[in-house]
Amino acid sequence: DTAVSQTPKYLVTQMGNDKSIKCEQNLGHDTMYWYKQDSKKFLKIMFSYNNKELIINETVPNRFSPKSPDKAHLNLHINSLELGDSAVYFCASSQDATRGETQYFGPGTRLLVL
Amino acid sequence: GDSVTQMEGPVTLSEEAFLTINCTYTATGYPSLFWYVQYPGEGLQLLLKATKADDKGSNKGFEATYRKETTSFHLEKGSVQVSDSAVYFCALRDGAAGNKLTFGGGTRVLVKP
Repeated sequence: DTAVSQTPKYLVTQMGNDKSIKCEQNLGHDTMYWYKQDSKKFLKIMFSYNNKELIINETVPNRFSPKSPDKAHLNLHINSLELGDSAVYFCASSQDATRGETQYFGPGTRLLVL
Repeated sequence: GDSVTQMEGPVTLSEEAFLTINCTYTATGYPSLFWYVQYPGEGLQLLLKATKADDKGSNKGFEATYRKETTSFHLEKGSVQVSDSAVYFCALRDGAAGNKLTFGGGTRVLVKP
């Protein structure tokens, strides 16, 4: 059973295109996250949703828009893709947004913008 | 703001050697501390955690102790295996910052037979 799943696993696209990455968790968690890992393996949070409401919105270009249709899903839509958007994007979830809760990560989506 | 600093890799070891990865942090509140591991081509997995000072997290032979006085959470394993080859991330979560994880830069560990 996959706890946190992401699709697609790999995404290769041209500059200027619009793309979406989907994330689903079957853990019954209330909180979901998106992280970006750059080519040097540095990880940084982008967004967090708790029960479909945005609770963390780091300094991210507004070309990136998260959407949470229900608490089991958090999708990431990216408009007008740029070369610098190439990275691995990880989705994660936790029971809730309180202190001490472990975050469980998906396998990642490798995005390459040409 | 919060930050995590960990030793740069790669760290190359022989099987059965002792592993230490240093991690220090800066936080305004009382963070929880974590070690995550990323095996090649995979996502992050929680390795261990500690939620308050002097707590020791342990899992799969790895240990780390939350040291508030030195703001450190060093990861150790007494005898590494080839299967421990991975990238290790130290992270903190400050509950006052909306539960986000702040990661260190990662340390690549390569264990040779």
